[in-house]
Amino acid sequence: GAVVSQHPSWVICKSGTSVKIECRSLDFQATTMFWYRQFPKQSLMLMATSNEGSKATYEQGVEKDKFLINHASLTLSTLTVTSAHPEDSSFYICSAPPQGWGTEAFFGQGTRLTVV
Amino acid sequence: TQLLEQSPQFLSIQEGENLTVYCNSSSVFSSLQWYRQEPGEGPVLLVTVVTGGEVKKLKRLTFQFGDARKDSSLHITAAQPGDTGLYLCSPGGAQKLVFGQGTRLTINP
Repeated sequence: GAVVSQHPSWVICKSGTSVKIECRSLDFQATTMFWYRQFPKQSLMLMATSNEGSKATYEQGVEKDKFLINHASLTLSTLTVTSAHPEDSSFYICSAPPQGWGTEAFFGQGTRLTVV
Repeated sequence: TQLLEQSPQFLSIQEGENLTVYCNSSSVFSSLQWYRQEPGEGPVLLVTVVTGGEVKKLKRLTFQFGDARKDSSLHITAAQPGDTGLYLCSPGGAQKLVFGQGTRLTINP
């Protein structure tokens, strides 16, 4: 199957700082990637759709100025959590659907963010 | 508003028992996908069901798509600790996946 890699796997940062999370498609190109957030004991909530070469599309209630998404190449999307606060602590996961693979999505291994 | 309702939300059973979890909606779907997520990892696709009434088997897992294509069930026979995880359903037919709240399954040795 296709491989999606996230980096870092976990990160601890201080309140007020920014954190960047990378999502890479290792063996295929992805014009679209998706970012999810998952709180403990809960399901995945879609945050935004990352579009290569254009602006991201954010789901209702997600602050675009706080969660900056950049999709500068066909294999890399980044999510930057700006001015992080403890309530931003969560598990962030990206997914990418390879072109021509139907609707199966391949997920990264996730990034656990802890803001202290 | 949740497009998909999954039940139960939590289920803890002993190894060797059978179980069924459900994914329900008032909407009709062209297809439906089931994913399993293990702790600290991303979800992995288990199956896609497409035809109303369709039954698919994956070893001890049996997936059924409702005749009206509004609901689906997952039955696990002789559950094993390796089945532990979060089971998620999502409408298929689109690249953007929106999940139900999931069923968190724990199989105790």
